Amino acid sequence: AQRVTQPEKLLSVFKGAPVELKCNYSYSGSPELFWYVQYSRQRLQLLLRHISRESIKGFTADLNKGETSFHLKKPFAQEEDSAMYYCALVSSGTYKYIFGTGTRLKVLA
Amino acid sequence: DAGITQSPRHKVTETGTPVTLRCHQTENHRYMYWYRQDPGHGLRLIHYSYGVKDTDKGEVSDGYSVSRSKTEDFLLTLESATSSQTSVYFCATGGSGNEQFFGPGTRLTVL
Repeated sequence: AQRVTQPEKLLSVFKGAPVELKCNYSYSGSPELFWYVQYSRQRLQLLLRHISRESIKGFTADLNKGETSFHLKKPFAQEEDSAMYYCALVSSGTYKYIFGTGTRLKVLA
Repeated sequence: DAGITQSPRHKVTETGTPVTLRCHQTENHRYMYWYRQDPGHGLRLIHYSYGVKDTDKGEVSDGYSVSRSKTEDFLLTLESATSSQTSVYFCATGGSGNEQFFGPGTRLTVL
């Protein structure tokens, strides 16, 4: 079955510390993976997609097909990174998304 | 952000009443989606549409129906609302590039 797992519901780190939000997936085929973010009182928005291999707001994510993971990383967390983060997978050919349960990141001063 | 709107933004209703939520887009996107967001469950797909009059079920479609009579509008109907349908509902759209664009959400409370 296709599934996206985010094992941490809440992750608290201090400002300036590295942060890693975990995402594992189960999918038979070549997935397209994304990270979406929801800041307080704002809409969900795309943060990263694996095919673009870019860094947004200092965040990066690498697709590891061997470990079926797509962890989101940032070397130095900022208070404005506090938000809800969702990992998502799109089912090839159907445009049907599967989201993880989300991880709330709190960056402490 | 203004390209995707949802109405109403907040609604309180009673068990057993019908409820319709509307999603309107001005992006001319082909794909439209309805999700519900619940603590501990994240975002779960209810229904989605891949064109006018073309819809399909998501993982939590029981108790919900949808309609899409034109590109701009995607309606979600709860035929007989239950307390388990209390949630925040998000509409999203998508073009050819797989990125999803989200509406502001509708907070629905079923008493």
